[in-house]
Amino acid sequence: GAVVSQHPSRVICKSGTSVKIECRSLDFQATTMFWYRQFPKKSLMLMATSNEGSKATYEQGVEKDKFLINHASLTLSTLTVTSAHPEDSSFYICSARDSGQTSYEQYFGPGTRLTVT
Amino acid sequence: AQTVTQSQPEMSVQEAETVTLSCTYDTSESDYYLFWYKQPPSRQMILVIRQEAYKQQNATENRFSVNFQKAAKSFSLKISDSQLGDAAMYFCASQRRALTFGSGTRLQVQP
Repeated sequence: GAVVSQHPSRVICKSGTSVKIECRSLDFQATTMFWYRQFPKKSLMLMATSNEGSKATYEQGVEKDKFLINHASLTLSTLTVTSAHPEDSSFYICSARDSGQTSYEQYFGPGTRLTVT
Repeated sequence: AQTVTQSQPEMSVQEAETVTLSCTYDTSESDYYLFWYKQPPSRQMILVIRQEAYKQQNATENRFSVNFQKAAKSFSLKISDSQLGDAAMYFCASQRRALTFGSGTRLQVQP
């Protein structure tokens, strides 16, 4: 089956620093990937759609200068949280759509827990 | 814009019994997909079942089935012969381009 990995699984960083999260599709190509944020005991909220070779599309209310997304290849998208603050602490999940399939199914990564101290 | 509503924050079922999780949605699209995802304590999202809106036949995956009422914009999930491993958060979601999730239902399975 289609596998999506995320790295790191957990990260702790100091306030004011930046942290990068990687999302990789391991056995398929993904022209489109998605980044979600999940607060404790809450649902997943779409942050942005990552498009290979072009700019990401951000959802309303998401600061594009704070959450930098790069989708430089068909198997890798990165989310960089710049100048992180404690309120950025959350669980970040990526998903990817298989470019070779006509279905709309998304495959999810295992998530990254970010803690900003 | 799409919205998805899950009105049951928590549900409980006895092992081997049947439980139904409710979901309603709102969309202006004519072509869309509906999903139920399971999120266990590991927080890995697991696809449970998928329904294409253009199909009238309800989707079924082993012990999991849906009741899709397109006119009423309702998409409930029925879990038959509940097992301890079914305990998790369940999210209903609709998709046209990206997924829109409901608030989730926490399912407990009592032995």
